[in-house]
Amino acid sequence: EEQVVESGGGLVQPGGSLRLSCAASGFTFGTHGMNWVRQAPGKGLEWISHISVITTDVFYADSVRGRFTISRDNAKNSLYLQMNGLRDEDTAVYYCARGPVWNFDLWGRGTLVTVSS
Amino acid sequence: QSVLTQPPSVSAAPGRKVTISCSGGSSNIGNNYVCWYQQFPGTAPKLLIYDDNKRPSGIPDRFSGSKSDTSATLDITGLQTGDEADYYCSTWDSSLSAVVFGGGTKLTVL
Repeated sequence: EEQVVESGGGLVQPGGSLRLSCAASGFTFGTHGMNWVRQAPGKGLEWISHISVITTDVFYADSVRGRFTISRDNAKNSLYLQMNGLRDEDTAVYYCARGPVWNFDLWGRGTLVTVSS
Repeated sequence: QSVLTQPPSVSAAPGRKVTISCSGGSSNIGNNYVCWYQQFPGTAPKLLIYDDNKRPSGIPDRFSGSKSDTSATLDITGLQTGDEADYYCSTWDSSLSAVVFGGGTKLTVL
């Protein structure tokens, strides 16, 4: 079964850092672009970042550029999101999603990040 | 304020048809593929339509997508109570170099 599973969420103080991971299984991870999408409580979907297969293309939303860094390890079938300088407004469920920038065909269940003092 | 504009809510009776619109511009919908996601409360989104009008395996043909100029549409026919969910349109914005989502539309099946 194809799946992606996020981990690493939790409670962090404003200004703090957190590293999210996404473990892929059931498909050839190294042949797919990957993304992070978040959803604040009661709000809509917000795309955060995309990384291409061999990391030649990396894109970020303006809201996180300079603070968040996406990376991947194809040998470990894993996607990462390093989040620094966290703000209250970064509180959200963070989803890992497989696909090119124009559609995401496989989503994880998400991991909750809460930024609060 | 979302780059793509969707109605906050739509409703219709079981068995009827509903249309959800998604309006954008030339840098996004006008020149890139549109996709649609369905999301039930407390669950992850699910790809419903991709490349403007294609359905992934397992998606019923009651769901269809179309696009004209800078607007896209999701049609759902033969509405069922199980279709009650939030629906989001999305595409790539070439000017922003970013994926953009609509604000989402809550479907109520009366």
